[in-house]
Amino acid sequence: NAGVMQNPRHLVRRRGQEARLRCSPMKGHSHVYWYRQLPEEGLKFMVYLQKENIIDESGMPKERFSAEFPKEGPSILRIQQVVRGDSAAYFCASSPPTGTNTEAFFGQGTRLTVV
Amino acid sequence: SQKIEQNSEALNIQEGKTATLTCNYTNYSPAYLQWYRQDPGRGPVFLLLIRENEKEKRKERLKVTFDTTLKQSLFHITASQPADSATYLCALASGGSYIPTFGRGTSLIVHP
Repeated sequence: NAGVMQNPRHLVRRRGQEARLRCSPMKGHSHVYWYRQLPEEGLKFMVYLQKENIIDESGMPKERFSAEFPKEGPSILRIQQVVRGDSAAYFCASSPPTGTNTEAFFGQGTRLTVV
Repeated sequence: SQKIEQNSEALNIQEGKTATLTCNYTNYSPAYLQWYRQDPGRGPVFLLLIRENEKEKRKERLKVTFDTTLKQSLFHITASQPADSATYLCALASGGSYIPTFGRGTSLIVHP
């Protein structure tokens, strides 16, 4: 049973380009969370999705950032027109439907560097 | 505002001793609290979950306590080993959202 898969592991983008981060949850998991982590800081919640639905995006910047979790395929976190301040590690976590098990399984993260 | 506080200073202990890490929170009514381990360059790994109506949970050398009156959780690692060196994160989730919110973590360094 493969864990949460994130790709790419490392991503370098020039300022103004778009970054696309992918997350494939564990098999049977229908909930996906995206977090951002800066050096020496904690994990900051960005967005919580279920299949085809955004449940909570209160932690995501209103501009340039978007997320989706389509019926088929991985969840995508998209950052348009990246700036240096977007450089961080982005982690995805998945969990089974609420009420059955509330443990979150994390991927290894995508480290985005904006140059 | 809601806050989750973990000691920002690294905890240094000798191998074989018990490590105790603290997580304090304010303005939360958590449904449960979790502890995770994170190694450099890796994603967090779930360790233990304790619910609001539980006082203590154990798993092998790990023990978690949860005091909702003090708004505090203690995380203990007994007979610590150098391999236990990592950053330990606590996370809370309220019954309304179930979205884990994380503290900054405390670095544990176990010296041989």
